[in-house]
Amino acid sequence: DSGVTQTPKHLITATGQRVTLRCSPRSGDLSVYWYQQSLDQGLQFLIHYYNGEERAKGNILERFSAQQFPDLHSELNLSSLELGDSALYFCASSPVLVNNYGYTFGSGTRLTVV
Amino acid sequence: GNSVTQMEGPVTLSEEAFLTINCTYTATGYPSLFWYVQYPGEGLQLLLKATKADDKGSNKGFEATYRKETTSFHLEKGSVQVSDSAVYFCALKEGGGGADGLTFGKGTHLIIQP
Repeated sequence: DSGVTQTPKHLITATGQRVTLRCSPRSGDLSVYWYQQSLDQGLQFLIHYYNGEERAKGNILERFSAQQFPDLHSELNLSSLELGDSALYFCASSPVLVNNYGYTFGSGTRLTVV
Repeated sequence: GNSVTQMEGPVTLSEEAFLTINCTYTATGYPSLFWYVQYPGEGLQLLLKATKADDKGSNKGFEATYRKETTSFHLEKGSVQVSDSAVYFCALKEGGGGADGLTFGKGTHLIIQP
């Protein structure tokens, strides 16, 4: 157990729908990063939150959004879902804003859009 | 932009064979370099890291040396075991104090046969 908790583990939904993925970081970690892992694109950085504020954006679609709450858990919202959004979504946490030493990853949420 | 290129798999070896997985990168400045491992059905685990040129990261018998002159960070292990079967990702974190996430390679699937 890495200490980073992601729920749900699996999610199946239809095209056009909206889903919310949840991530609880390791105790004491203030940074949460979201990544998407798909067969064609590989692992891609989506967005980074630190202590409730957005700090960096990667290849995140406009249909996707995220937030980090006062208790430091984070949610990734995916809307108007398309078949191509089917992927594994990981979050990772870190105690600091800028971490050059590696993050701790959760076990992921597998999203299937049908 | 930043990019990481690693050899595509699957790489199939016999137990006790010598392992090399090549990784080269393109980045501005002086990035930190990582190898992550993903076992089936699990999230990514940090295997080893190096934060400056000529640093050698090592863990569980795996090693990688940060070679700035060849922009490489090849993963090696002298004698692999069946339990090393997994997907290995090379990644970089851009230097300079930015809050961006990691840039990953596509991953190399390693299969060790008894």
